[in-house]
Amino acid sequence: TQLLEQSPQFLSIQEGENLTVYCNSSSVFSSLQWYRQEPGEGPVLLVTVVTGGEVKKLKRLTFQFGDARKDSSLHITAAQPGDTGLYLCAARNSGYSTLTFGKGTMLLVSP
Amino acid sequence: DSGVTQTPKHLITATGQRVTLRCSPRSGDLSVYWYQQSLDQGLQFLIQYYNGEERAKGNILERFSAQQFPDLHSELNLSSLELGDSALYFCASSPRGSGGGETQYFGPGTRLLVL
Repeated sequence: TQLLEQSPQFLSIQEGENLTVYCNSSSVFSSLQWYRQEPGEGPVLLVTVVTGGEVKKLKRLTFQFGDARKDSSLHITAAQPGDTGLYLCAARNSGYSTLTFGKGTMLLVSP
Repeated sequence: DSGVTQTPKHLITATGQRVTLRCSPRSGDLSVYWYQQSLDQGLQFLIQYYNGEERAKGNILERFSAQQFPDLHSELNLSSLELGDSALYFCASSPRGSGGGETQYFGPGTRLLVL
Protein backbone atom coordinates (compact mmCIF):
# COMPACT_ATOMS: atom_id res chain seq x y z
CA THR A 1 0.00 0.00 0.00
CA GLN A 2 1.45 3.33 -0.98
CA LEU A 3 1.83 5.94 1.70
CA LEU A 4 1.22 9.62 1.08
CA GLU A 5 2.96 12.01 3.46
CA GLN A 6 1.57 15.52 3.68
CA SER A 7 3.36 18.43 5.27
CA PRO A 8 2.93 20.49 7.25
CA GLN A 9 0.16 18.87 9.28
CA PHE A 10 -1.13 22.24 10.41
CA LEU A 11 -0.58 25.79 9.16
CA SER A 12 -1.91 28.99 10.66
CA ILE A 13 -1.29 32.19 8.71
CA GLN A 14 -2.59 35.74 8.27
CA GLU A 15 -4.69 36.87 5.35
CA GLY A 16 -2.53 37.94 2.42
CA GLU A 17 0.36 35.57 3.11
CA ASN A 18 1.59 32.95 0.65
CA LEU A 19 1.98 29.28 1.51
CA THR A 20 2.98 25.93 0.07
CA VAL A 21 1.90 22.48 1.20
CA TYR A 22 3.44 19.23 0.08
CA CYS A 23 2.46 15.68 -0.73
CA ASN A 24 5.21 13.08 -1.01
CA SER A 25 5.56 9.35 -1.55
CA SER A 26 8.13 6.76 -2.53
CA SER A 27 5.69 5.35 -5.10
CA VAL A 28 4.96 6.49 -8.64
CA PHE A 29 1.35 7.51 -9.31
CA SER A 30 -0.70 7.44 -12.48
CA SER A 31 -2.48 10.55 -11.26
CA LEU A 32 -2.75 12.71 -8.19
CA GLN A 33 -5.65 14.77 -6.94
CA TRP A 34 -6.01 17.61 -4.46
CA TYR A 35 -9.17 18.06 -2.40
CA ARG A 36 -10.35 20.67 0.08
CA GLN A 37 -12.58 19.66 2.95
CA GLU A 38 -14.43 22.23 5.04
CA PRO A 39 -15.74 21.46 8.54
CA GLY A 40 -18.86 19.33 8.47
CA GLU A 41 -18.59 18.58 4.76
CA GLY A 42 -17.09 16.02 2.45
CA PRO A 43 -13.92 16.59 0.40
CA VAL A 44 -14.32 18.53 -2.83
CA LEU A 45 -12.00 17.93 -5.76
CA LEU A 46 -9.81 20.90 -6.70
CA VAL A 47 -7.59 19.47 -9.41
CA THR A 48 -6.23 16.31 -11.01
CA VAL A 49 -2.65 16.16 -12.31
CA VAL A 50 -1.52 13.36 -14.57
CA THR A 51 1.70 14.27 -16.37
CA GLY A 52 5.09 14.52 -14.63
CA GLY A 53 6.08 18.18 -14.31
CA GLU A 54 2.53 19.37 -14.94
CA VAL A 55 1.48 22.70 -13.46
CA LYS A 56 -2.16 23.70 -13.09
CA LYS A 57 -3.59 26.96 -11.83
CA LEU A 58 -6.95 27.56 -10.23
CA LYS A 59 -7.24 31.28 -9.47
CA ARG A 60 -4.77 31.85 -6.59
CA LEU A 61 -3.94 28.14 -6.26
CA THR A 62 -1.05 26.58 -8.18
CA PHE A 63 -0.62 22.81 -8.29
CA GLN A 64 2.53 21.07 -9.43
CA PHE A 65 3.16 17.38 -10.09
CA GLY A 66 6.76 16.24 -9.66
CA ASP A 67 8.75 15.17 -12.71
CA ALA A 68 8.96 11.60 -11.38
CA ARG A 69 5.26 11.59 -10.45
CA LYS A 70 6.04 10.80 -6.81
CA ASP A 71 5.27 14.16 -5.25
CA SER A 72 3.13 17.24 -5.60
CA SER A 73 2.80 20.71 -4.14
CA LEU A 74 0.01 23.21 -3.71
CA HIS A 75 0.89 26.89 -3.52
CA ILE A 76 -1.65 29.50 -2.45
CA THR A 77 -0.97 33.16 -3.18
CA ALA A 78 -2.43 35.89 -0.98
CA ALA A 79 -4.42 33.49 1.20
CA GLN A 80 -7.92 34.48 2.28
CA PRO A 81 -10.08 33.29 5.20
CA GLY A 82 -12.20 31.41 2.69
CA ASP A 83 -9.19 29.20 1.95
CA THR A 84 -9.43 27.74 5.45
CA GLY A 85 -9.90 23.99 5.40
CA LEU A 86 -8.27 20.59 5.27
CA TYR A 87 -6.26 20.05 2.09
CA LEU A 88 -5.96 16.42 1.08
CA CYS A 89 -3.90 14.84 -1.63
CA ALA A 90 -5.01 11.52 -3.10
CA ALA A 91 -3.24 9.20 -5.49
CA ARG A 92 -4.40 6.54 -7.85
CA ASN A 93 -2.38 3.58 -9.08
CA SER A 94 -2.52 2.76 -12.74
CA GLY A 95 -5.51 0.57 -13.59
CA TYR A 96 -7.27 1.08 -10.26
CA SER A 97 -10.24 3.28 -9.57
CA THR A 98 -9.64 3.59 -5.84
CA LEU A 99 -7.84 6.45 -4.16
CA THR A 100 -5.28 6.53 -1.37
CA PHE A 101 -5.44 9.72 0.67
CA GLY A 102 -2.83 11.54 2.70
CA LYS A 103 -3.78 12.68 6.21
CA GLY A 104 -4.02 16.26 5.06
CA THR A 105 -2.81 19.73 5.91
CA MET A 106 -5.17 21.78 8.08
CA LEU A 107 -4.95 25.42 6.96
CA LEU A 108 -6.28 28.28 9.05
CA VAL A 109 -6.25 31.74 7.52
CA SER A 110 -7.03 34.53 9.97
CA PRO A 111 -8.37 37.96 8.91
CA ASP B 1 -23.96 20.42 -3.00
CA SER B 2 -22.33 17.37 -4.60
CA GLY B 3 -25.61 15.59 -5.31
CA VAL B 4 -24.65 12.69 -3.02
CA THR B 5 -26.88 12.30 0.02
CA GLN B 6 -26.12 10.45 3.22
CA THR B 7 -28.33 9.64 6.18
CA PRO B 8 -28.27 10.00 9.07
CA LYS B 9 -26.01 13.00 9.58
CA HIS B 10 -25.23 12.05 13.17
CA LEU B 11 -25.49 8.74 14.97
CA ILE B 12 -24.81 7.96 18.62
CA THR B 13 -24.87 4.38 19.77
CA ALA B 14 -23.33 2.00 22.29
CA THR B 15 -20.58 -0.58 22.02
CA GLY B 16 -21.75 -3.91 20.71
CA GLN B 17 -24.59 -2.40 18.69
CA ARG B 18 -25.21 -2.49 14.94
CA VAL B 19 -25.97 0.49 12.71
CA THR B 20 -26.74 1.07 9.04
CA LEU B 21 -25.57 4.09 7.09
CA ARG B 22 -27.29 4.98 3.86
CA CYS B 23 -26.01 6.68 0.71
CA SER B 24 -27.73 7.84 -2.47
CA PRO B 25 -25.31 8.56 -5.32
CA ARG B 26 -25.57 11.38 -7.83
CA SER B 27 -28.14 10.81 -10.52
CA GLY B 28 -26.60 8.62 -13.22
CA ASP B 29 -23.54 7.53 -11.21
CA LEU B 30 -23.07 3.77 -11.13
CA SER B 31 -20.21 3.51 -8.67
CA VAL B 32 -20.33 4.07 -4.91
CA TYR B 33 -17.37 4.23 -2.54
CA TRP B 34 -17.31 4.16 1.25
CA TYR B 35 -14.58 5.86 3.30
CA GLN B 36 -13.84 6.18 7.00
CA GLN B 37 -12.19 9.34 8.34
CA SER B 38 -10.62 9.49 11.79
CA LEU B 39 -8.09 11.85 13.32
CA ASP B 40 -5.32 9.27 13.57
CA GLN B 41 -5.85 7.33 10.33
CA GLY B 42 -7.09 10.07 8.02
CA LEU B 43 -9.46 9.25 5.15
CA GLN B 44 -9.35 5.53 4.41
CA PHE B 45 -11.04 3.69 1.56
CA LEU B 46 -13.31 0.87 2.72
CA ILE B 47 -15.13 -0.58 -0.26
CA GLN B 48 -16.41 0.17 -3.77
CA TYR B 49 -19.52 -1.04 -5.58
CA TYR B 50 -20.27 -0.71 -9.25
CA ASN B 51 -23.78 -1.28 -10.54
CA GLY B 52 -24.64 -3.59 -7.66
CA GLU B 53 -21.42 -5.61 -7.65
CA GLU B 54 -18.45 -5.29 -5.32
CA ARG B 55 -15.51 -3.92 -7.32
CA ALA B 56 -12.75 -3.18 -4.84
CA LYS B 57 -12.04 -3.68 -1.17
CA GLY B 58 -9.83 -1.59 1.06
CA ASN B 59 -9.28 -1.55 4.79
CA ILE B 60 -12.74 -2.80 5.69
CA LEU B 61 -13.15 -4.82 8.87
CA GLU B 62 -14.99 -8.14 8.84
CA ARG B 63 -17.55 -6.59 11.20
CA PHE B 64 -18.44 -4.14 8.43
CA SER B 65 -20.35 -4.97 5.27
CA ALA B 66 -21.93 -3.07 2.44
CA GLN B 67 -24.25 -3.55 -0.49
CA GLN B 68 -25.57 -1.62 -3.44
CA PHE B 69 -29.20 -2.05 -4.37
CA PRO B 70 -30.84 -2.12 -7.84
CA ASP B 71 -31.78 1.56 -7.49
CA LEU B 72 -28.03 2.17 -6.91
CA HIS B 73 -28.30 3.43 -3.36
CA SER B 74 -25.88 1.81 -0.96
CA GLU B 75 -25.83 0.85 2.69
CA LEU B 76 -22.87 0.34 4.99
CA ASN B 77 -23.57 -1.96 7.93
CA LEU B 78 -21.38 -1.72 11.00
CA SER B 79 -21.82 -4.40 13.67
CA SER B 80 -20.37 -5.27 17.08
CA LEU B 81 -19.38 -1.65 17.34
CA GLU B 82 -16.29 -0.66 19.30
CA LEU B 83 -15.19 2.71 20.64
CA GLY B 84 -12.57 2.88 17.91
CA ASP B 85 -15.25 2.79 15.22
CA SER B 86 -16.21 6.35 16.12
CA ALA B 87 -15.43 8.34 13.00
CA LEU B 88 -16.84 10.18 10.02
CA TYR B 89 -18.10 7.87 7.30
CA PHE B 90 -18.24 9.26 3.79
CA CYS B 91 -19.87 7.95 0.68
CA ALA B 92 -18.71 9.06 -2.74
CA SER B 93 -20.00 8.32 -6.21
CA SER B 94 -18.63 8.44 -9.74
CA PRO B 95 -20.09 7.77 -13.17
CA ARG B 96 -18.27 4.53 -13.96
CA GLY B 97 -15.61 3.82 -11.34
CA SER B 98 -13.34 2.59 -14.05
CA GLY B 99 -10.16 4.36 -13.10
CA GLY B 100 -8.30 7.10 -14.88
CA GLY B 101 -8.98 10.62 -13.78
CA GLU B 102 -12.65 10.07 -13.00
CA THR B 103 -13.93 12.41 -10.30
CA GLN B 104 -15.43 11.09 -7.11
CA TYR B 105 -18.15 13.25 -5.57
CA PHE B 106 -18.38 13.05 -1.81
CA GLY B 107 -21.45 13.26 0.35
CA PRO B 108 -21.60 15.30 3.57
CA GLY B 109 -20.82 12.27 5.73
CA THR B 110 -22.30 10.52 8.76
CA ARG B 111 -20.67 11.23 12.10
CA LEU B 112 -20.75 8.07 14.23
CA LEU B 113 -20.08 8.21 17.95
CA VAL B 114 -19.83 4.92 19.83
CA LEU B 115 -20.12 5.28 23.60
